[in-house]
Amino acid sequence: LAKTTQPISMDSYEGQEVNITCSHNNIATNDYITWYQQFPSQGPRFIIQGYKTKVTNEVASLFIPADRKSSTLSLPRVSLSDTAVYYCLVGSSNTGKLIFGQGTTLQVKP
Amino acid sequence: KAGVTQTPRYLIKTRGQQVTLSCSPISGHRSVSWYQQTPGQGLQFLFEYFSETQRNKGNFPGRFSGRQFSNSRSEMNVSTLELGDSALYLCASSLEGWPYEQYFGPGTRLTVT
Repeated sequence: LAKTTQPISMDSYEGQEVNITCSHNNIATNDYITWYQQFPSQGPRFIIQGYKTKVTNEVASLFIPADRKSSTLSLPRVSLSDTAVYYCLVGSSNTGKLIFGQGTTLQVKP
Repeated sequence: KAGVTQTPRYLIKTRGQQVTLSCSPISGHRSVSWYQQTPGQGLQFLFEYFSETQRNKGNFPGRFSGRQFSNSRSEMNVSTLELGDSALYLCASSLEGWPYEQYFGPGTRLTVT
């Protein structure tokens, strides 16, 4: 069963690149890695998903090494509005398991 | 396109009672998943329904159950409520189903006294 571990909190400044790493040592072959963002009093919002190597969309990049035991969410040039909790999620319908990390609270300072 | 809606948004119940929460997915989405969020345990997956069939289930006791109707709307029921069931219950809908991109609703805040 994949257990996902991520830092509890991180601080950054506006304009910087932020990298949040998630550890998932027991990831299964069919598991996908997904990241969500959550603001207070709202449901999580999808950021990005990947299976291996690198995925990039308009808001973030996701780096997954060959062994897939970790993944790194990269947010380029963060702004104050990126202050939120970021969740790493590992799982698949094949395994029937879906495991969330405890969430990383990102505080972006001016 | 309207987002995922959940009703009610807030609920207070007493131990031993039962509760039913409702979720209306985004139009066209056939998958609905339910999650529990608490400060201590974080986000936990409850179950997923796809075209009226439960397709996946998390590690929760049988007191937690759900169903999905032909219009994709879903309900979650918790029987014999315990204090520890106090949580934010989130519903998410998806085109392809879990674990692909999920669209979350705002949640129902359940307080058990």
